[in-house]
Amino acid sequence: DAEITQSPRHKITETGRQVTLACHQTWNHNNMFWYRQDLGHGLRLIHYSYGVHDTNKGEVSDGYSVSRSNTEDLPLTLESAASSQTSVYFCASSDQSTGELFFGEGSRLTVL
Amino acid sequence: GNSVTQMEGPVTLSEEAFLTINCTYTATGYPSLFWYVQYPGEGLQLLLKATKADDKGSNKGFEATYRKETTSFHLEKGSVQVSDSAVYFCALSPTGANSKLTFGKGITLSVRP
Repeated sequence: DAEITQSPRHKITETGRQVTLACHQTWNHNNMFWYRQDLGHGLRLIHYSYGVHDTNKGEVSDGYSVSRSNTEDLPLTLESAASSQTSVYFCASSDQSTGELFFGEGSRLTVL
Repeated sequence: GNSVTQMEGPVTLSEEAFLTINCTYTATGYPSLFWYVQYPGEGLQLLLKATKADDKGSNKGFEATYRKETTSFHLEKGSVQVSDSAVYFCALSPTGANSKLTFGKGITLSVRP
């Protein structure tokens, strides 16, 4: 079965360190997205990609970057982690014809 | 811009109670509308959807009708179960192949036995 997987599922890091969260999907979807989920804010879009070598900023992109070198993967990098980036991060990919999103199980990041 | 507004939560119900979770939206054109559910410790998964006005999406006993005249997509279930305890998100996707979903803030439902 097709799926979308994230790693690591849990990560604790220190302020100022670089962190990369991996996302891998086997749906063969062109569209991929990164969201963060925080209490009181729901889901907020960080970055998204519509295909290989395409990346776009979402509403909360400061301090984050992504790259898309193939269809399957969209890693999210925090260049210099800050405590405000403590959150649960979700990767998703979408079916272009229906717009339906398929989510990974999330990565819980704690920045101390 | 596009936006989705959900009723404030959390909501606590007894088993077999009737559930309504309100959702209204602002968008141009004819967006598709979705309800996603997030069970504890998991990612979001699609619960139901509707792609045009007056469509009714349904799944697992939940229903929602796309009402363009009131720009609403309220979620209902006639008899909730403890296993329905989760966070529910309303979302919209504008028309177009590369549209991004806009989510509401989500509402936590707790069902007690």
